[in-house]
Amino acid sequence: GNSVTQMEGPVTLSEEAFLTINCTYTATGYPSLFWYVQYPGEGLQLLLKATKADDKGSNKGFEATYRKETTSFHLEKGSVQVSDSAVYFCALSDRGDSWGKLQFGAGTQVVVTP
Amino acid sequence: GAVVSQHPSWVICKSGTSVKIECRSLDFQATTMFWYRQFPKQSLMLMATSNEGSKATYEQGVEKDKFLINHASLTLSTLTVTSAHPEDSSFYICSASAGDTEAFFGQGTRLTVV
Repeated sequence: GNSVTQMEGPVTLSEEAFLTINCTYTATGYPSLFWYVQYPGEGLQLLLKATKADDKGSNKGFEATYRKETTSFHLEKGSVQVSDSAVYFCALSDRGDSWGKLQFGAGTQVVVTP
Repeated sequence: GAVVSQHPSWVICKSGTSVKIECRSLDFQATTMFWYRQFPKQSLMLMATSNEGSKATYEQGVEKDKFLINHASLTLSTLTVTSAHPEDSSFYICSASAGDTEAFFGQGTRLTVV
């Protein structure tokens, strides 16, 4: 079956540091890939997505590129802020499935200190 | 983005009783709603998919008689945990989608069965 693996947290870094959260997946077909973010006390929000190989999703300074050859979708941000402290989830949906039907990674907590 | 409201945000119930959790789409019509369960430090696991007016589709291993899902209108889905036991204690999250588009998440419900 499909699965998503992402690096364990918590990841603690200083403001303006570079952030990378690794995410790899296994899937039988060509899934769509997503990054969701959950700020404290809030629901999950879609951060960015990519629906085919080599697509790059970007939003709020975050980027992730759909790499079919390495089955990866790593999340990056060049200069984090304290407000980026949250839990980040990598997820996929099978081709043909609704984007709402998601398989999630375990989540990575990111803590950004001033 | 669209707003999905989940209620209650937390609930404590006695073993053997039933608990109902509501998921409402406040500003759009949700043709499909999804229910997830999250164990501590683990990823969200899809429990079931419900389409308005039809029976929910449960994921393998999810007891449909224990987790009753109703999606009677385009703005409301409910999850009822019947005859709850301590092992049902978990974080339950819903999401809602208007067709083949991004799904929006509720804030989750922390269920504790004592």
